[in-house]
Amino acid sequence: EPEVTQTPSHQVTQMGQEVILRCVPISNHLYFYWYRQILGQKVEFLVSFYNNEISEKSEIFDDQFSVERPDGSNFTLKIRSTKLEDSAMYFCASSSRGLTNYGYTFGSGTRLTVV
Amino acid sequence: QQQVKQSPQSLIVQKGGISIINCAYENTAFDYFPWYQQFPGKGPALLIAIRPDVSEKKEGRFTISFNKSAKQFSLHIMDSQPGDSATYFCAATLNTGTASKLTFGTGTRLQVTL
Repeated sequence: EPEVTQTPSHQVTQMGQEVILRCVPISNHLYFYWYRQILGQKVEFLVSFYNNEISEKSEIFDDQFSVERPDGSNFTLKIRSTKLEDSAMYFCASSSRGLTNYGYTFGSGTRLTVV
Repeated sequence: QQQVKQSPQSLIVQKGGISIINCAYENTAFDYFPWYQQFPGKGPALLIAIRPDVSEKKEGRFTISFNKSAKQFSLHIMDSQPGDSATYFCAATLNTGTASKLTFGTGTRLQVTL
């Protein structure tokens, strides 16, 4: 079964440093998403991306965050200057259509720890 | 208005018992209500989903009951098994066709004991 692949599985970074979280969506999917889950809390939407531009972003997704599809296979989330409160599990998801009932698939996540 | 409220926060059920998790939503425009199962260290995986024009959907041991007038829906796990021990999230979405997002509930940690 096709998978969304995320790397690294765990990243530790110092406060103020830039981090890039990487995702390889399912190959024929066109819509891409990032979600965040702070330990013990609910999964929260960050941003959606389609046709090389952001479709929607949440209040969490401020100027410190950016997304990019640098080539035909990768989808990245960059946090420019990490804060302690950015420590969370970050999930990438992709879907074949812009509908949540069409193969909306999550990756296993990257655990980001900011120290 | 975008919130989805979920209860209980945690649940312990004996093997063979019925697990029931409840959710309530506010936005009547939501048009799709999935349940996700998450094991430690893994991403949420779609378990079962329902549309608001249906009152019940059953897939194996998993059933969603949907009450549109009350704006509530619930997940029932029949004959609960230790392998069902996981965190369950209800979610809701408004499918606009332009990269629709999921709004998740706060999660229920289910433990099925022997």
